[in-house]
Amino acid sequence: EPEVTQTPSHQVTQMGQEVILRCVPISNHLYFYWYRQILGQKVEFLVSFYNNEISEKSEIFDDQFSVERPDGSNFTLKIRSTKLEDSAMYFCASSEVLNEQFFGPGTRLTVL
Amino acid sequence: GQNIDQPTEMTATEGAIVQINCTYQTSGFNGLFWYQQHAGEAPTFLSYNVLDGLEEKGRFSSFLSRSKGYSYLLLKELQMKDSASYLCAPTGFQKLVFGTGTRLLVSP
Repeated sequence: EPEVTQTPSHQVTQMGQEVILRCVPISNHLYFYWYRQILGQKVEFLVSFYNNEISEKSEIFDDQFSVERPDGSNFTLKIRSTKLEDSAMYFCASSEVLNEQFFGPGTRLTVL
Repeated sequence: GQNIDQPTEMTATEGAIVQINCTYQTSGFNGLFWYQQHAGEAPTFLSYNVLDGLEEKGRFSSFLSRSKGYSYLLLKELQMKDSASYLCAPTGFQKLVFGTGTRLLVSP
């Protein structure tokens, strides 16, 4: 069964450093998403991506964040200068159309 | 604005039936999803309602009333592995808007 994959599973970084989180969505899916979940809190939408551009983003997704689909398979989230409060689980998701979203296993980001 | 209300925690015994309610207010509505999330894991899809009424899928059923901003997830024949958080997520255009979820504890 096709699935969304994410790397790395755990990333530790120093405050102020740049991180890139990687995702491989399901191959025939057209919509891609990033969500985050701070420990003990709810899952929060960050951004959606369709047709090689951002289609919707939340207030959390400020200038420190960017997304890219550098090739036909990868979908990345970059945080330019990490802050302590960026520590969270980051989930990538994809969907065929505007329906069920399949989530990847997540990347746990720890900012020290 | 967006507001989703679910009970924080529920308990039930193995083999029983449990109903998890969700009320919501969202700007823009394209249907409502229910996801299951085990601790430390990603959400996994359970059900999707776009029209009013009941959708049944094995041991799980979900109901939607758009006019009332209300949904419920019904879990039958509870198993220990059903202990998890259940997330009600109305959709606003593309994004899923998650509530804090209902933590369900199933005991023997």
